[in-house]
Amino acid sequence: AQSVTQLGSHVSVSEGALVLLRCNYSSSVPPYLFWYVQYPNQGLQLLLKYTTGATLVKGINGFEAEFKKSETSFHLTKPSAHMSDAAEYFCAVRPEGYQKVTFGTGTKLQVIP
Amino acid sequence: ETGVTQSPTHLIKTRGQQVTLRCSSQSGHNTVSWYQQALGQGPQFIFQYYREEENGRGNFPPRFSGLQFPNYSSELNVNALELDDSALYLCASSTRDRGSYEQYFGPGTRLTVT
Repeated sequence: AQSVTQLGSHVSVSEGALVLLRCNYSSSVPPYLFWYVQYPNQGLQLLLKYTTGATLVKGINGFEAEFKKSETSFHLTKPSAHMSDAAEYFCAVRPEGYQKVTFGTGTKLQVIP
Repeated sequence: ETGVTQSPTHLIKTRGQQVTLRCSSQSGHNTVSWYQQALGQGPQFIFQYYREEENGRGNFPPRFSGLQFPNYSSELNVNALELDDSALYLCASSTRDRGSYEQYFGPGTRLTVT
């Protein structure tokens, strides 16, 4: 069985500061890993994904994440926060060969001007 | 390229009633997954349909059922509604043929059960 843990249900950063959202996963087989963003009253938009290959993955809107197998982590970062980044972020895992995608409970990002 | 659409946007039902939610997948996608997102929670996998057959199911009772049609659109049916079924229901489409497993989400249907 797979699971996802997102540390911190709420994270606040100042505009222009580093954004770091933490995600740890468990999976019995090689995982596919995803980060999604959800704005109020909207569906989920894919930010980035890791399947195979390079462990540092770049996504949209300046976000990136690094897959660290030894730490079972897939933390999301952005060098400089923008007001438009305020939203809820979900980490998700899908083990290779399985259909079920498991999401974390989400982290709400607040950007302070 | 048309994105994933869902209808209706909002719905209010009474406990014990039945509801049908609809999803049109993105052009070229043959797989549809349904998720339930309760307030303050992450999405929970309900089931997935691939080429009109159920292909994977989460921990949801049989009163949650679905269909996929030849054009790959899909329905989620919930019988005997309970108060805890109040949630945002998300549909996601993808194509397994390319092996990327990337899912594209619709805007969701907000179901309120009173």
